[in-house]
Amino acid sequence: QKEVEQNSGPLSVPEGAIASLNCTYSDRGSQSFFWYRQYSGKSPELIMFIYSNGDKEDGRFTAQLNKASQYVSLLIRDSQPSDSATYLCAVNAGNNRKLIWGLGTSLAVNP
Amino acid sequence: GAVVSQHPSWVICKSGTSVKIECRSLDFQATTMFWYRQFPKQSLMLMATSNEGSKATYEQGVEKDKFLINHASLTLSTLTVTSAHPEDSSFYICSPLAVGFREQFFGPGTRLTVL
Repeated sequence: QKEVEQNSGPLSVPEGAIASLNCTYSDRGSQSFFWYRQYSGKSPELIMFIYSNGDKEDGRFTAQLNKASQYVSLLIRDSQPSDSATYLCAVNAGNNRKLIWGLGTSLAVNP
Repeated sequence: GAVVSQHPSWVICKSGTSVKIECRSLDFQATTMFWYRQFPKQSLMLMATSNEGSKATYEQGVEKDKFLINHASLTLSTLTVTSAHPEDSSFYICSPLAVGFREQFFGPGTRLTVL
């Protein structure tokens, strides 16, 4: 059974701090890794994707992938109250392009 | 890019009726469509995967005769919930996959309430 695990939280950080979200996956053959943000009552929104080991930066967001340790993380710098949402980690392991989803981490950024 | 629309955004219906949800990719072509549903405070649950012009593949536990999927074109897919019951009340979200892309984008979702 392919699994993706996330700490459900809630993770609470003060405004302006760095929020660190972590995700581990079980299938060593996984190839594509995604972070989605979901506000309450809304559909998921793609934040970052990463395919290679190392860091990938996009604005205030940095995705980090370590295939040897089978984890992927998302750092949010200068956290804002508008970043308060549930962050979903998703992993694509196979040719069928289905995503395996984590249950999400709830982030609260306090003003 | 990657604009996805869903219609309706919300619907309330009586038990026993059928509801059709449309999903359109407005600025790209999608050979594959994923349909998800999400119950309150739970994560996304994949219902089925469809490829344009082919029959959908349903996940275990999802009744194919109850959730009819049509993916007749590269820009339009529909999900019909037949004979809806209160337990079908959920948030239904489509996710078309563009040709040559690995990233999935999501429609805004349809909130279905069955009375």
